[in-house]
Amino acid sequence: DTGVSQNPRHKITKRGQNVTFRCDPISEHNRLYWYRQTLGQGPEFLTYFQNEAQLEKSRLLSDRFSAERPKGSFSTLEIQRTEQGDSAMYLCASSLLDRENEKLFFGSGTQLSVL
Amino acid sequence: GENVEQHPSTLSVQEGDSAVIKCTYSDSASNYFPWYKQELGKRPQLIIDIRSNVGEKKDQRIAVTLNKTAKHFSLHITETQPEDSAVYFCAAKETSYDKVIFGPGTSLSVIP
Repeated sequence: DTGVSQNPRHKITKRGQNVTFRCDPISEHNRLYWYRQTLGQGPEFLTYFQNEAQLEKSRLLSDRFSAERPKGSFSTLEIQRTEQGDSAMYLCASSLLDRENEKLFFGSGTQLSVL
Repeated sequence: GENVEQHPSTLSVQEGDSAVIKCTYSDSASNYFPWYKQELGKRPQLIIDIRSNVGEKKDQRIAVTLNKTAKHFSLHITETQPEDSAVYFCAAKETSYDKVIFGPGTSLSVIP
């Protein structure tokens, strides 16, 4: 499978713990996005990268969230001191930017449950 | 920043009828408008997209129209089939920061 891969698929953690998720994009894609999705809602933008550079982080995002994309390949999303409100599906998407057109390929997501 | 709204939030149609989903966006500089379909338990997938220099685009039973003056665009599905049942998300590409922003989604149910 050469699509976008996310690990783990599910994560259950206790409030206050730190969690880290990994995303492996399609190899030739230069862009990588992180979105958060709760039931009945659209994907909420968190942050995105072009190659290894983080272009923007949502102003609504707590400082407890951080993301990296070393060497412009895989990316990690870390949440420190998790809260119950962090429970959601975390989606990663990658794309090959072609002028304005940008087809996003999504991973299967990591479902986070904070107890 | 860009804000995308979508209506209706839920839509039920009889098989064979047409379905229309409407979206509005706030940033007049946005120039790329994709639509994604998310089936239950699956990842979102692009079904059609349109650029701002085009008013309408068709692909078999689906079409998208864009009105840049009014800042709204619509998805039209004709001859709906049960497999069209899914959540549909519109999105806009915010030129200034160059990222894709999604609407809240429309849950479409096609009743056989």
